[in-house]
Amino acid sequence: DAGVIQSPRHEVTEMGQEVTLRCKPISGHDYLFWYRQTMMRGLELLIYFNNNVPIDDSGMPEDRFSAKMPNASFSTLKIQPSEPRDSAVYFCASNALGLNYGYTFGSGTRLTVV
Amino acid sequence: KNEVEQSPQNLTAQEGEFITINCSYSVGISALHWLQQHPGGGIVSLFMLSSGKKKHGRLIATINIQEKHSSLHITASHPRDSAVYICAVRVGNTPLVFGKGTRLSVIA
Repeated sequence: DAGVIQSPRHEVTEMGQEVTLRCKPISGHDYLFWYRQTMMRGLELLIYFNNNVPIDDSGMPEDRFSAKMPNASFSTLKIQPSEPRDSAVYFCASNALGLNYGYTFGSGTRLTVV
Repeated sequence: KNEVEQSPQNLTAQEGEFITINCSYSVGISALHWLQQHPGGGIVSLFMLSSGKKKHGRLIATINIQEKHSSLHITASHPRDSAVYICAVRVGNTPLVFGKGTRLSVIA
């Protein structure tokens, strides 16, 4: 099993550009989570999906952020337009047993907006 | 709102020392997780517990529900244990709320 796969590993973009982060969960996992990690705030949940349906997006900071899960094997997190304060590491995680069980995390995407 | 506080924020230990990392939370929870984040950034789930104690190798996690407190212990610490250790809690059926982590450095 290749685990949760995120791409790209690193992204540097200019302010105002659109950024798309990608995640492939472990096959058979029906929960998918997007997190953002910063030094100041630690890990924060942005949004999570169950069976491809967004369940809770209350952590999405503002309308510039959007996430989709068109099928069970792929999800995207898009920021448009990007701002320097969006610079962070974005993690995707998945699990098969629901919220009461541990997650498998991807390696993260380090986003730098200049 | 559930607050998760970890202490210490940073910890430096000599190889072989017994290490304790603490986690306190403010409201009743249904589960508590300990996670390890390696220097390269990857995050690994270590334990999930809702009562008592769990042990895996040199790692031991305990939780006291009444005191709203959990500890992660590392026995016979080794430089490869150097990482950020993150506590996270769940209230009812909501997603995890994370502490800011404890950065551990074990020196040979």
